[in-house]
Amino acid sequence: NAGVTQTPKFQVLKTGQSMTLQCAQDMNHNSMYWYRQDPGMGLRLIYYSASEGTTDKGEVPNGYNVSRLNKREFSLRLESAAPSQTSVYFCASSEIASVGELFFGSGTQLSVL
Amino acid sequence: QKEVEQNSGPLSVPEGAIASLNCTYSDRGSQSFFWYRQYSGKSPELIMSIYSNGDKEDGRFTAQLNKASQYVSLLIRDSQPSDSATYLCAVKETGGFKTIFGAGTRLFVKA
Repeated sequence: NAGVTQTPKFQVLKTGQSMTLQCAQDMNHNSMYWYRQDPGMGLRLIYYSASEGTTDKGEVPNGYNVSRLNKREFSLRLESAAPSQTSVYFCASSEIASVGELFFGSGTQLSVL
Repeated sequence: QKEVEQNSGPLSVPEGAIASLNCTYSDRGSQSFFWYRQYSGKSPELIMSIYSNGDKEDGRFTAQLNKASQYVSLLIRDSQPSDSATYLCAVKETGGFKTIFGAGTRLFVKA
């Protein structure tokens, strides 16, 4: 019963480096999401995929790209990391986007120096 | 910009008391409302969903919704130290797929 699995759990990057955060769910959910969480600001939606084959911008998409590789996997890419992208990143999934009940992965702590 | 507002706290209650957490939202057409619990260093966990006006009870938790006042609350009865966490209010936007979160209320339950 893995649920939503994110890798890596921790990452330190230098400004300008790139990396991809991986997310996979085994609940046969249709919708997947990427959020970032910063102190005092709650969870902010970066990108989401309402169904396989679709992706859309959330509240804070600048500096990020996503790929819905298949129904199970949804990756988040930072092409040129900036210190402002230092955050905790959570992947989530839901059975269908119209319901909105989210199940979260364990998170990735990212620091950009 | 659709918003979800919560008092950041911390809210401190003694063990066995009722903890009352409140949330207001700006999207008048929203139909789906959620409470998540997040322990320090962990990911959010869904604890309550509510879709219609009134109260919904699940064990020691009661969610209350008043759409006319755009107000959602969570009551935790017989609070336990293990309830100490940050509680996030979340609202799904009208006609879309995005869920907007409040910044959360930190709850401390003193033994």
